[in-house]
Amino acid sequence: SQQGEEDPQALSIQEGENATMNCSYKTSINNLQWYRQNSGRGLVHLILIRSNEREKHSGRLRVTLDTSKKSSSLLITASRAADTASYFCATAGSNYQLIWGAGTKLIIKP
Amino acid sequence: DTAVSQTPKYLVTQMGNDKSIKCEQNLGHDTMYWYKQDSKKFLKIMFSYNNKELIINETVPNRFSPKSPDKAHLNLHINSLELGDSAVYFCASSPPPRGDTIYFGEGSWLTVV
Repeated sequence: SQQGEEDPQALSIQEGENATMNCSYKTSINNLQWYRQNSGRGLVHLILIRSNEREKHSGRLRVTLDTSKKSSSLLITASRAADTASYFCATAGSNYQLIWGAGTKLIIKP
Repeated sequence: DTAVSQTPKYLVTQMGNDKSIKCEQNLGHDTMYWYKQDSKKFLKIMFSYNNKELIINETVPNRFSPKSPDKAHLNLHINSLELGDSAVYFCASSPPPRGDTIYFGEGSWLTVV
């Protein structure tokens, strides 16, 4: 079942700009994860943020989590052509099973 | 040194055939999964095994049968293939604790004609 909903479904920006994607979910969670999927490839884990954390950074990635609004955002700063991919959020609830969103397709224009 | 490897990468087969997809992970993880990704990119879990024991078995047709000969391998056998089975199938594994990071294979593109 799909719990996470990514917004927007698709995003096209110029190289060098920042990209922001959002994920909303419905039930309480233990953690929320972001993954990247390049065309024709498998999913790659980017960041995991736990329910008691509000913000996490990894290189050019910044993830925030607002459990009161049941939402998370992924910010990619200074985007590069190689960031072109689909980005998925996944939430782990009390049964630890990951539930996935439908993804945001990000296109970085040179 | 591939972490999660699955074969074949591409598979084109006729309706009614039986096919298998093999998966192996060399990460030493206890938990392995099969996911299905449809043409709209929706990702749905099919099965999960922990130490060779089935722990998640979502609503999947009986034609799909997973087999885990050991904790490093999880194969997927599909009987009587149907057009609607066309999708990308991903094998994955994860270390404890449950619900944390999952490591995916590169996917197996199945096309049923």
